[in-house]
Amino acid sequence: KAGVTQTPRYLIKTRGQQVTLSCSPISGHRSVSWYQQTPGQGLQFLFEYFSETQRNKGNFPGRFSGRQFSNSRSEMNVSTLELGDSALYLCASSPLSREVYEQYFGPGTRLTVT
Amino acid sequence: AQSVAQPEDQVNVAEGNPLTVKCTYSVSGNPYLFWYVQYPNRGLQFLLKYITGDNLVKGSYGFEAEFNKSQTSFHLKKPSALVSDSALYFCAVRSYMNSGYSTLTFGKGTMLLVSP
Repeated sequence: KAGVTQTPRYLIKTRGQQVTLSCSPISGHRSVSWYQQTPGQGLQFLFEYFSETQRNKGNFPGRFSGRQFSNSRSEMNVSTLELGDSALYLCASSPLSREVYEQYFGPGTRLTVT
Repeated sequence: AQSVAQPEDQVNVAEGNPLTVKCTYSVSGNPYLFWYVQYPNRGLQFLLKYITGDNLVKGSYGFEAEFNKSQTSFHLKKPSALVSDSALYFCAVRSYMNSGYSTLTFGKGTMLLVSP
């Protein structure tokens, strides 16, 4: 099976712009989660989607949004970019077993805001 | 709220020596605990998990972790370190959010450096 893919891998944007990141989960996985990784804060949970519905949301401002399509692919959008949004954005998919919550991560999108 | 703590930002060990990366947790109820590893410019890779049963859990690449309920710890271990084990290691716990659905809460990570 192909792993989780994320596009683009690298992105440079200017303050005030917006950006859209894409994630394709492992085939058959219906849950997609997004995380922001920075050196100072570690991994911080952004949101989780399941069957096109946002089920969980972390403590991020409304500038951060996402969606999931019927084929389970997901996008996240950040509007009005700030310097502090520079980070590695990781997507993870899960088969959503009822017993465990094991996640499979993509390689991430490195966003640099200048 | 559920949380995990990784008290060491960095662990240094010589190749061939045993290694331990520490993790403590705080949860209500039974913990579901995980270890992940991140190599440079890569996403996180799953190493092992503890759900229930034997306190010593074996995982990928020769790693194992010991669950200790009384000390609320879940330390990652390997009997003999390799230079290629050098990476960033994350401990995580299953957490329930207000929605009633679960997600993973990660520690801040521990950088493991194995010297030749």
